[in-house]
Amino acid sequence: DVKVTQSSRYLVKRTGEKVFLECVQDMDHENMFWYRQDPGLGLRLIYFSYDVKMKEKGDIPEGYSVSREKKERFSLILESASTNQTSMYLCASSWEVGNQPQHFGDGTRLSIL
Amino acid sequence: QKEVEQNSGPLSVPEGAIASLNCTYSDRVSQSFFWYRQYSGKSPELIMSIYSNGDKEDGRFTAQLNKASQYVSLLIRDSQPSDSATYLCAVDFNAGNMLTFGGGTRLMVKP
Repeated sequence: DVKVTQSSRYLVKRTGEKVFLECVQDMDHENMFWYRQDPGLGLRLIYFSYDVKMKEKGDIPEGYSVSREKKERFSLILESASTNQTSMYLCASSWEVGNQPQHFGDGTRLSIL
Repeated sequence: QKEVEQNSGPLSVPEGAIASLNCTYSDRVSQSFFWYRQYSGKSPELIMSIYSNGDKEDGRFTAQLNKASQYVSLLIRDSQPSDSATYLCAVDFNAGNMLTFGGGTRLMVKP
């Protein structure tokens, strides 16, 4: 079974802090994704990566950055956290070959106070 | 703009009934279609994938795809209260593993 592990299930941070969300997958997947999910807005793609050190902006990259130094790990960084970044953050991974599903981690519920 | 549309619900069905969840999408050349189940406060869990026209069955779940009409549906037979969740439809429009998700349909199965 695919295992996508997110470092924290719940996280509380303060406005202006730099926040790191970590994601690790154990299936040697090439592709990794970060989404946020908010009520009424569905899943929105923040960033994705299709290889080590490669990154592409998704639909809502503003206020975020990412890092992928190793194939199995994809980090999401909130450079200066703001209250409107309070959300559920979901990491996913998939094979590079086409027509593959994405597999999700358990999610991190982040609150910015 | 490639879109995936779902009725947000809630869809309410009695226990033991068939639940029918529908999804329409905007691009006729799409190749891959997925259904995810998401319990409240949890992450999406893949339950079905379908790639060609027709039906695909897995236990109590049947996915149906009609590319000409651009819709995909999920049938849940003998619905159980434990099936109560939000069901997300996802489409890979370009066979490049970028999924576009619908907003989800909330299903409620009443005992």
